Amino acid sequence: DTEVTQTPKHLVMGMTNKKSLKCEQHMGHRAMYWYKQKAKKPPELMFVYSYEKLSINESVPSRFSPECPNSSLLNLHLHALQPEDSALYLCASSQLGLNTGELFFGEGSRLTVL
Amino acid sequence: RKEVEQDPGPFNVPEGATVAFNCTYSNSASQSFFWYRQDCRKEPKLLMSVYSSGNEDGRFTAQLNRASQYISLLIRDSKLSDSATYLCVVTRYNFNKFYFGSGTKLNVKP
Repeated sequence: DTEVTQTPKHLVMGMTNKKSLKCEQHMGHRAMYWYKQKAKKPPELMFVYSYEKLSINESVPSRFSPECPNSSLLNLHLHALQPEDSALYLCASSQLGLNTGELFFGEGSRLTVL
Repeated sequence: RKEVEQDPGPFNVPEGATVAFNCTYSNSASQSFFWYRQDCRKEPKLLMSVYSSGNEDGRFTAQLNRASQYISLLIRDSKLSDSATYLCVVTRYNFNKFYFGSGTKLNVKP
């Protein structure tokens, strides 16, 4: 069983909808990540939170809005998405510090935008 | 130049074969190295971390060559269940960003 939990597993939304993806980890990791993955491509980094502060934003469109309410939770708020935003959205976490160690992934939220 | 480069494959091999994947990285400050396995429509899962001295886990052997800036993964006695995409992942010292290769697809045939 994965130690990073994502909900929902599947989401279908229209271009005018507002929805949120949620992620939770209880490993004490202080770095949390959002990745987007399209078919047959590697995960593509969107955002990194370090100690609950946004540390990396890979020039993601503003229709994606991340939020880190506390050290265990990470949200991704979605608004006015486009069909090309349909993808698997992966949450991950890792240790922080001199040696970040490995990335732990959740099972992902598969998003379809109609 | 990409941070991490992999041969995308696919590698089509029969059961029982030995197969090797290589991955090169461009930044000499890279510190930590990993091989992840990703099954179709699933999340990536850590297969092995790669240590300077090389490491082995059953049929899998990972090696690091810092001078030439590449890592390798050797799979012996391939099983049908080894069919997956293998992702090379690299990170730098004290830097919270993981660089992914494009992934190498392995198909093990009966």
